[in-house]
Amino acid sequence: KAGVTQTPRYLIKTRGQQVTLSCSPISGHRSVSWYQQTPGQGLQFLFEYFSETQRNKGNFPGRFSGRQFSNSRSEMNVSTLELGDSALYLCASSWRTSGSTETQYFGPGTRLLVL
Amino acid sequence: AQKITQTQPGMFVQEKEAVTLDCTYDTSDPSYGLFWYKQPSSGEMIFLIYQGSYDQQNATEGRYSLNFQKARKSANLVISASQLGDSAMYFCAMSLSGGGADGLTFGKGTHLIIQP
Repeated sequence: KAGVTQTPRYLIKTRGQQVTLSCSPISGHRSVSWYQQTPGQGLQFLFEYFSETQRNKGNFPGRFSGRQFSNSRSEMNVSTLELGDSALYLCASSWRTSGSTETQYFGPGTRLLVL
Repeated sequence: AQKITQTQPGMFVQEKEAVTLDCTYDTSDPSYGLFWYKQPSSGEMIFLIYQGSYDQQNATEGRYSLNFQKARKSANLVISASQLGDSAMYFCAMSLSGGGADGLTFGKGTHLIIQP
């Protein structure tokens, strides 16, 4: 069974631009969660989608948004990029919603650099 | 709010020795899951092992075992017979089952370096 895939793997943007990251979960998984990893803040939960509905969102500004499609693939969008948005963005999928103790499986991540 | 604490920022271990990575957690929820993930320099988070709060026995997966002490709220990862390929960041994480869908709460991680 194929794992979680994320595209693109690397991205360079400039301040003020917007970016869209994509995540394809493991086949059969209906929950997709997004995390931001930075050296200063560590790993932080962004949001989670289950059956095309955002179930919860972490403490991030409204510039961070996402969506999930009927095939469970998910995208996250960051508008008006700031230097502090430079990070590794990780997507994780699980069979059930993250409001359970279901194991989440991660993709390879997208490294975003904002100049 | 839940919290994960990993007190060892870095560890150097000789190859073939056993390693214990510390993790303590804090939550008032009686139902939770504890996870360990490995993150090599490539960035991908690799799932290692899971322990549920109601599990009576410590979890084991190959060379990995989880020393779960519920009363002390600790969930230490033990790697037996360490290998050079075990060098990576290791994260302890917790998930609640209360339907809050808050995602995983991670610790700061431990950077493990295996020396030949």
